[in-house]
Amino acid sequence: QSALTQPRSVSGSPGQSVTISCTGTSSDVSGYNYVSWYQQHPGKAPKLIIYDVSKRPSGVPDRFSGSKSGNTASLTISGLQAEDEADYYCCSNAGRYTYVFGGGTKLTVL
Amino acid sequence: EVQLVESGGGLVQPGRSLRLSCAASGFTFDDYAMHWVRQAPGKGLEWVSGISWNSGVMAYVDSVKGRFTISRDNAKNSLYLQMNSLRVEDTALYYCAKRVGGGGYYFDYWGQGTLVTVSS
Repeated sequence: QSALTQPRSVSGSPGQSVTISCTGTSSDVSGYNYVSWYQQHPGKAPKLIIYDVSKRPSGVPDRFSGSKSGNTASLTISGLQAEDEADYYCCSNAGRYTYVFGGGTKLTVL
Repeated sequence: EVQLVESGGGLVQPGRSLRLSCAASGFTFDDYAMHWVRQAPGKGLEWVSGISWNSGVMAYVDSVKGRFTISRDNAKNSLYLQMNSLRVEDTALYYCAKRVGGGGYYFDYWGQGTLVTVSS
């Protein structure tokens, strides 16, 4: 039950693209196609933005996309906007009813 | 509209107990697994515990096993977390989260959290 590994921070200018990585193990990320991503603005509850590795819930802009290769999942945000500045967390199912989150990545829009 | 409202947090001394509650509305509560996720001040999210729709399966992160107990009352649309032998490192905002249905493995709704502070 070790936390997934994410970079502590990433940054980009408006209009650019950024990618946030999330590295786990065969017990979580590569073992299941159940990686989800959450966006959290300061003082707010997390919001689901990607599920099942690459699917977007209704209402989430298509600027947000997800992928996975081996033990590493990735979230890409294209066409950065000021409102994308937030903390981002990956999460993987790690077996029946258990989950593990990443340490979180702070996205700064320059 | 789905709503999850946590309560029961507060300041408690190390070694003492606290019981958190989560009142759910806007969906058929007994159709869904429910979970607790916590966030220490200035830190990241940590999954704490989960329970199946019928209480048949309960799971915990290693650091709370033997100290925390998750439960639910489907008649009251409520989720609970009994926290015993609290430690300073249990200090966090505790979120109640609904797991999506249909065999999915993610959390589609979250409450606003209840703050637990463990300090002498």
